[in-house]
Amino acid sequence: GNSVTQMEGPVTLSEEAFLTINCTYTATGYPSLFWYVQYPGEGLQLLLKATKADDKGSNKGFEATYRKETTSFHLEKGSVQVSDSAVYFCALSSLEDDKIIFGKGTRLHILP
Amino acid sequence: DTGVSQDPRHKITKRGQNVTFRCDPISEHNRLYWYRQTLGQGPEFLTYFQNEAQLEKSRLLSDRFSAERPKGSFSTLEIQRTEQGDSAMYLCASSSTWGSEQYFGPGTRLTVT
Repeated sequence: GNSVTQMEGPVTLSEEAFLTINCTYTATGYPSLFWYVQYPGEGLQLLLKATKADDKGSNKGFEATYRKETTSFHLEKGSVQVSDSAVYFCALSSLEDDKIIFGKGTRLHILP
Repeated sequence: DTGVSQDPRHKITKRGQNVTFRCDPISEHNRLYWYRQTLGQGPEFLTYFQNEAQLEKSRLLSDRFSAERPKGSFSTLEIQRTEQGDSAMYLCASSSTWGSEQYFGPGTRLTVT
C-alpha cells in the first residue's frame, strides 16, 4: 500500500541555519505530495504541495521538489527562524482514493 | 468563513463511557474526513463522507466507532465503551471536491482514564 517515510526528529537548529527534512514515499500511480505543518496548539496547515513529477512547491521560504526517480519530496529552507519551530508532516494522496497518508512527523526546534 | 470547527476541543472520560464529537466543515464543502492522531504519530485516516454518504471506513474504525453526517453538513463521531487505547487527537477535515485541498480543524483531544 501507499506509505510515507520521513526523517525522525527532533531536529534542532540555530536561527538562520539551512534546513532539510527528508521524505520518501511508496505509491502506485502518480500521487500528489504535500508538506503539512502543525504549530504548537494549532491545527494542521498545508504548507506546500506538488501534483506531478518535477513540480516544485513553495511557501513561506520553504521548498520541496517532486522527484519521481528517487520517490522523494524533501523539504528545504535556506534560513530558518524561531517561528518555524513546529512539527512537519510529509504526506501523499492518490487519485484512486481521496484520503491523505501521512508520515510520522518531524519536530523542528529553532534556537535563537 | 471561519474554517473547520470541532467541538469539544478536549474531552476526558472514564473507560467504558461513550463520547461524541462534532465537526462543522467549511460551508458548501461536500466532502468531510475524520482522522486520528496518536502521540508521536502522523494522522491516520478513519472515514470520509461525500455529502451524507459514508464512502469508506478504515479498518481502524472498530465496531465501537460510528460516524454520521445526517444532512450533509456537520458530522458526529461516536465512540462507545471507550478504551485507553482510544486516547488520541481526532481531526476533522473538509474539501470541496475529490482531490482538492483538505482543510483541517483544530481537533478534539480525547483522554480516556
